[in-house]
Amino acid sequence: DAGVIQSPRHEVTEMGQEVTLRCKPISGHDYLFWYRQTMMRGLELLIYFNNNVPIDDSGMPEDRFSAKMPNASFSTLKIQPSEPRDSAVYFCASSFRLAGGSTEAFFGQGTRLTVV
Amino acid sequence: AQSVTQLDSQVPVFEEAPVELRCNYSSSVSVYLFWYVQYPNQGLQLLLKYLSGSTLVKGINGFEAEFNKSQTSFHLRKPSVHISDTAEYFCAVSFQGGSEKLVFGKGTKLTVNP
Repeated sequence: DAGVIQSPRHEVTEMGQEVTLRCKPISGHDYLFWYRQTMMRGLELLIYFNNNVPIDDSGMPEDRFSAKMPNASFSTLKIQPSEPRDSAVYFCASSFRLAGGSTEAFFGQGTRLTVV
Repeated sequence: AQSVTQLDSQVPVFEEAPVELRCNYSSSVSVYLFWYVQYPNQGLQLLLKYLSGSTLVKGINGFEAEFNKSQTSFHLRKPSVHISDTAEYFCAVSFQGGSEKLVFGKGTKLTVNP
């Protein structure tokens, strides 16, 4: 398997523009996570899905952020309108439930977003 | 509240020296524990995990970690580091009986000097 695939790897956009980040999870994984990484706040969980259904979106910073998972092989994270403080690396991760109930997350390479 | 603390934000060491990266967690329920490594401009890669059984866990690249329930710790160790171990290391926890999400520590940047 090619692993978790994210696109684009880098995105530079102007403040106010819409940004869409994309993720293809590992086939067979039934959990998908979106994380944001910044120097100040470290790794923050934004939202996660189970079987394409959003389970916990309490980490989504505000209404400008939205995420969808229309099918098991694709998810998007959208920011509209974007602001400079949204600049960060956004990671997508997928996982499956291990025996005993734990999950082990596999991460994509990330999308480095810069909003100017 | 459930949380993960990595006590050291930066750890500089010389090549071939031993290293220990510390991780403590706070939880009222049993946990699963993970260490991830992040090389520059890369995603996170799993180093090792503790789910149950032996408290000493061996991972990739010669790393190991020991789960200490009484001290709520899961410190990462390597007896002799290489320049190529320079990276950021993250401790993560998920909570039995709870949600499937991982809670990450702030990370420890390990710099191995020649």
